[in-house]
Amino acid sequence: DAGVIQSPRHEVTEMGQEVTLRCKPISGHNSLFWYRQTMMRGLELLIYFNNNVPIDDSGMPEDRFSAKMPNASFSTLKIQPSEPRDSAVYFCASSFGTGDGYTFGSGTRLTVV
Amino acid sequence: GQQLNQSPQSMFIQEGEDVSMNCTSSSIFNTWLWYKQEPGEGPVLLIALYKAGELTSNGRLTAQFGITRKDSFLNISASIPSDVGIYFCAGRRGNEKLTFGTGTRLTIIP
Repeated sequence: DAGVIQSPRHEVTEMGQEVTLRCKPISGHNSLFWYRQTMMRGLELLIYFNNNVPIDDSGMPEDRFSAKMPNASFSTLKIQPSEPRDSAVYFCASSFGTGDGYTFGSGTRLTVV
Repeated sequence: GQQLNQSPQSMFIQEGEDVSMNCTSSSIFNTWLWYKQEPGEGPVLLIALYKAGELTSNGRLTAQFGITRKDSFLNISASIPSDVGIYFCAGRRGNEKLTFGTGTRLTIIP
C-alpha cells in the first residue's frame, strides 16, 4: 500500500499564476479530503468528496479555489489566480467512508511570491 | 469551521519526562482520535477511541476517552527525541466528518 500520494511536494509560483495540486487516494477508499495548514489557522478542511461527489465545499475560501474528483483514484485542487496569502501546506487525506481515521498524504508546500 | 481546543498549545520537555495533553469540546463526540505530525509530513493516526471511559495504549502512548464524551487525553511516558512533532486530536459524531483540534507542539530538550 503506497499510501496517499500527493504531487508536487513543493511548488513555488508567482502571484497570478494557476496552481494545480494532485492527489491519489488509497485504493478502496471512497472519501477524499483536502486540507490546508497554516501556522495561524491550523488544519482547515477545504472540501471533501464521497464516492467522487463533492459533499461539503463550505471550507473553500473563495471562487479562486476549485476541486475535482473525476474518478476514484484521482483528485485535483486548483487555485486560479494564486495569491501570496494562499501560501500554506495543502494535504489530501482519504478514508473508507467518513468514519474511522483518515490517512494523510505528505502534503504540498505551496509558496506564492 | 469548528475546531477542538487543545492544551497546551506548545510544550518544552526534558528527554525522559512524561507528557500530558488534552482536548476539549463543547459538543459530545462518539469517537476520538489522536494523530502525530512530524516535520514535513502529514498527520499519522496514533490511537482511536470509541467508548466513553476507554483507555487505550500504543507503546509509550496512552489515550483516554473522557467520561463526559466532551474531552480526551493523551499521555506519553518517558519522552524521547523522536516524540517531537505536533499532536492533533480529532473527534467525530456519528458518521460525520472528523473535527480536528488546534494541535499541541511538542519539543524535546536533550
